[in-house]
Amino acid sequence: ETGVTQSPTHLIKTRGQQVTLRCSSQSGHNTVSWYQQALGQGPQFIFQYYREEENGRGNFPPRFSGLQFPNYSSELNVNALELDDSALYLCASSLTSGVFGEQYFGPGTRLTVT
Amino acid sequence: QKEVEQDPGPLSVPEGAIVSLNCTYSNSAFQYFMWYRQYSRKGPELLMYTYSSGNKEDGRFTAQVDKSSKYISLFIRDSQPSDSATYLCAMTGQGGSEKLVFGKGTKLTVNP
Repeated sequence: ETGVTQSPTHLIKTRGQQVTLRCSSQSGHNTVSWYQQALGQGPQFIFQYYREEENGRGNFPPRFSGLQFPNYSSELNVNALELDDSALYLCASSLTSGVFGEQYFGPGTRLTVT
Repeated sequence: QKEVEQDPGPLSVPEGAIVSLNCTYSNSAFQYFMWYRQYSRKGPELLMYTYSSGNKEDGRFTAQVDKSSKYISLFIRDSQPSDSATYLCAMTGQGGSEKLVFGKGTKLTVNP
């Protein structure tokens, strides 16, 4: 177990709705990254938060947004859901300290948009 | 051209076989090269990472990086049914903590 938890495990939403996914990082980890993994694909980087500030963003539209809180929890919010948003959403926590920081992944939230 | 290319397989081998998994990449800025293992319905877990070129061995697993060819490999010796999973290569830049760029993953089945 990586010590990274995500909730909920599964979620079904309708196109146009909004969704919030949650992640609890390993204690002491100051960085959280979110990835989208479509079926049969590798994870794609959405964005990263370092000490509660966005620290890098992948090729995802602004309707994907996030928050990181001081208690090592974080959220991924997706507005105006589209069918293509159906995927496994993974968060990964790490300790950024100037050297390689292993990213520990949670089990993911599987989102289905109908 | 995608930044990281990985043959998705699937790959099926008998128990005890040597498995070779490979990725190619196009971005010269990549410095850290990782292999993740992902079991069904789980998040990826880091198997090994290598900084820059060279080889690294950990038990039955050997990772190789050839930066001149932009080619990385993972070898699994004496493969076991418990090795059955999807193997993802991933890469990141000099800082080591930035976004990971993943390949598509290769689904491996080791048959008893």
